[in-house]
Amino acid sequence: GAVVSQHPSRVICKSGTSVKIECRSLDFQATTMFWYRQFPKKSLMLMATSNEGSKATYEQGVEKDKFLINHASLTLSTLTVTSAHPEDSSFYICSAITGTGGHNEQFFGPGTRLTVL
Amino acid sequence: AQSVTQLGSHVSVSEGALVLLRCNYSSSVPPYLFWYVQYPNQGLQLLLKYTSAATLVKGINGFEAEFKKSETSFHLTKPSAHMSDAAEYFCAVSFSGNTGKLIFGQGTTLQVKP
Repeated sequence: GAVVSQHPSRVICKSGTSVKIECRSLDFQATTMFWYRQFPKKSLMLMATSNEGSKATYEQGVEKDKFLINHASLTLSTLTVTSAHPEDSSFYICSAITGTGGHNEQFFGPGTRLTVL
Repeated sequence: AQSVTQLGSHVSVSEGALVLLRCNYSSSVPPYLFWYVQYPNQGLQLLLKYTSAATLVKGINGFEAEFKKSETSFHLTKPSAHMSDAAEYFCAVSFSGNTGKLIFGQGTTLQVKP
């Protein structure tokens, strides 16, 4: 099956610094990638939809200046948490699909655990 | 508006017993429905999906789900639970014509007792 990787798997940073998380589709070209945030014991909250070569579409309530998304190629999307604060600590998961349409399976990365001190 | 509701945030069964995880959806257009499983500190793995073909969908690891339009439900079942089934399960919905954006239910933690 299709594989999506994330790097790093864990990151600890100081408050006020920026952190970049990479999401790669290893064996397929992803027309669309999604970024989710998951709080402990909670469901996944979609943050944004990322299409290669275009600006990301952010969900309501997500600060696009704080969560910068770049989809530079069909196999790589990055999420940068700028000026991170403790409340940004969370589990961030990306997913990728090929093609368009709601029936397409999303392939999920293993997640990145961000801890902001 | 479209939404997904999973009844029961925590389900506990004995090993070998039937597993039933409930999912109801709300949608004004035909949905695509998915069940995902998540193990601790990992991403999500697709168990099965309904995409308007057969209403009874068989997935991996012995799981299956039945789409019931009249009840707006897509409950997940497995005849006999195994210890390795203990995990978090998420029901999700997507819609024709969209980019593939998923709306997730709140999740159900399945505990399997020996």
